[in-house]
Amino acid sequence: NAGVTQTPKFQVLKTGQSMTLQCAQDMNHNSMYWYRQDPGMGLRLIYYSASEGTTDKGEVPNGYNVSRLNKREFSLRLESAAPSQTSVYFCASSEKTGWLSNQPQHFGDGTRLSIL
Amino acid sequence: KQEVTQIPAALSVPEGENLVLNCSFTDSAIYNLQWFRQDPGKGLTSLLLIQSSQREQTSGRLNASLDKSSGRSTLYIAASQPGDSATYLCAASNTGKLIFGQGTTLQVKP
Repeated sequence: NAGVTQTPKFQVLKTGQSMTLQCAQDMNHNSMYWYRQDPGMGLRLIYYSASEGTTDKGEVPNGYNVSRLNKREFSLRLESAAPSQTSVYFCASSEKTGWLSNQPQHFGDGTRLSIL
Repeated sequence: KQEVTQIPAALSVPEGENLVLNCSFTDSAIYNLQWFRQDPGKGLTSLLLIQSSQREQTSGRLNASLDKSSGRSTLYIAASQPGDSATYLCAASNTGKLIFGQGTTLQVKP
C-alpha cells in the first residue's frame, strides 16, 4: 500500500542548480498534481496532468516544468533554482479530474527543498 | 477567482470537547469540498469529501457540512482526543482543481 511516493524527501540546492523531483503512484489513477506549500500561503497548484500525455499549468507554474512519463509517474523539474522556490513540494493523484472528480486526492509525504 | 478562508488559524481545546472548524469560499460553483488532515512533516490525508449535491458527510466522530448558497463548510469533531491534534485544511474544487484554505491548527490538551 505505497500510495504516492515522492523522492527525494529532503534536498538542498545552490541558486542556479537544476533538479527533478520524482513522484510515482500505484493506484492506477489517471490524474496527478504538483503543489507547493509555503507558510502563510497554503498549498498552491503548480502543474497538473489530467491524464497520461497531458499537462496543464496551475496557479504558480513559473520556473517549473513537468513530465508525465507514464500513467504512474509525474516529475517536476526546476531548471535554474531560485531562493523563492524554497518550499515543501507535494505530489498528489486522483482517479479523475474535472467535474467527474468526486474522489479525493491522495498525497505523498512531500519533498522539503531548500535553495541557498 | 475562488478564494478559501479558514478561521481561526489555531485552536486549543481540552480533551473531550466537541468543536467546529470553519471554512468559507467565494465561488459557489464548486464540484465538491474536501477536508484534509496534515500531521507535522507529513502529507495530507483525506478525511471527507462532500459533493456539490450533498449537504453533509460523516465518518466516525467527524461530520462535515456544506452550504453552497452561503459559501460555507464546517467540520464537526465530536469528543475530541489528543490524537486529533493536527492541521485541518479545507479545499474547494472548481474545474477539478483544488483551492486550499490556509488551515486551522488544532491542539487537543489531555
